[in-house]
Amino acid sequence: DAMVIQNPRYQVTQFGKPVTLSCSQTLNHNVMYWYQQKSSQAPKLLFHYYDKDFNNEADTPDNFQSRRPNTSFCFLDIRSPGLGDAAMYLCATSWATGELFFGEGSRLTVL
Amino acid sequence: AQTVTQSQPEMSVQEAETVTLSCTYDTSENNYYLFWYKQPPSRQMILVIRQEAYKQQNATENRFSVNFQKAAKSFSLKISDSQLGDTAMYFCAFQANNAGNMLTFGGGTRLMVKP
Repeated sequence: DAMVIQNPRYQVTQFGKPVTLSCSQTLNHNVMYWYQQKSSQAPKLLFHYYDKDFNNEADTPDNFQSRRPNTSFCFLDIRSPGLGDAAMYLCATSWATGELFFGEGSRLTVL
Repeated sequence: AQTVTQSQPEMSVQEAETVTLSCTYDTSENNYYLFWYKQPPSRQMILVIRQEAYKQQNATENRFSVNFQKAAKSFSLKISDSQLGDTAMYFCAFQANNAGNMLTFGGGTRLMVKP
């Protein structure tokens, strides 16, 4: 059974049109992460939530925002997608220490 | 800051043979974890194996084992009896004990298992 579920798996948007990606988890982990992964590259951490505390990576563009309304859900909002934002977006969860559990990812295409 | 380097962008191996993927890292930390994650095509990333730096014994999980050389800052992954399902991107990752759960990933190695 999937433990970290991302929706949609595939998202096509137009240049500048806002998009929201969602992540839900059944593990009750207190930490949730959003990674951006471009083709054949390592995942790059955008931000993470430790419980309700939001932690932004220094080089994450302002165009990327996140919300975590409760323990189970986390959203990634891209306010004005550019062509360079086309990527796979990975959600992951964990306890305070230990293994990260990843979702299958949401592939974003920007036209 | 930590860095993780995987020097082999692509590798291939015949089914049933053994292959070793290389990983080196640089850190000033003494307490940390090292991981190998597997990302099959269009599928989620999953943990293959984990090594605590304070343990001298190399971690083993079925056909997967590591060669952890702490002084050399080397952490290679050996896959024995390779199977077609092992075809995937493999990422080496570092996690310092004092950095919460933040992972530093290597650039990845694409492994192709050939029938």
